[in-house]
Amino acid sequence: KQEVTQIPAALSVPEGENLVLNCSFTDSAIYNLQWFRQDPGKGLTSLLLIQSSQREQTSGRLNASLDKSSGRSTLYIAASQPGDSATYLCAGNTPLVFGKGTRLSVIA
Amino acid sequence: DTAVSQTPKYLVTQMGNDKSIKCEQNLGHDTMYWYKQDSKKFLKIMFSYNNKELIINETVPNRFSPKSPDKAHLNLHINSLELGDSAVYFCASSLLAGPGAGELFFGEGSRLTVL
Repeated sequence: KQEVTQIPAALSVPEGENLVLNCSFTDSAIYNLQWFRQDPGKGLTSLLLIQSSQREQTSGRLNASLDKSSGRSTLYIAASQPGDSATYLCAGNTPLVFGKGTRLSVIA
Repeated sequence: DTAVSQTPKYLVTQMGNDKSIKCEQNLGHDTMYWYKQDSKKFLKIMFSYNNKELIINETVPNRFSPKSPDKAHLNLHINSLELGDSAVYFCASSLLAGPGAGELFFGEGSRLTVL
């Protein structure tokens, strides 16, 4: 049974820092992977989708990569801003299996 | 124009009651899902429908009954509500089903509180 672990559980950084969020799967048979952000009391906003034939995706200051051999994904956020503060969730293999998220705080 | 919309957003009810949550997507997707987010914020799949047919039914009590009148709508009816049903229920949709489903889009969630 696929399980997803996200490290760290919480992260606090000063504004402007580059940061990396990590996600790992117990079963490296990953077909697709999606990163989301969730603001308090809100729904999930899709950030990036890495499909089975892809290894990474970029959108603005965000870059997500997937290493299927190790069952790991990383989300890189460049030049972090206070507006990036949220919980970031990774999930794989539709129907998506979710990690518990990383709660990010970017301090101005 | 909201892609995946759920109603109601908040629902407070007594134990033993029956309640429904509705979901609609205007993305033209074939597949819809219900997820539950518990008090620890952990999201877990409950059901999935592909073109009105049930394709995923996780170990959910049979007090929960999904219904899909058409591929744009997926409703969730809960009978005999229990305290442990308190959670946020999220609806989602994707173009297809399975590994090639594509991106999942989520609604804003329906927060159910059972007293």
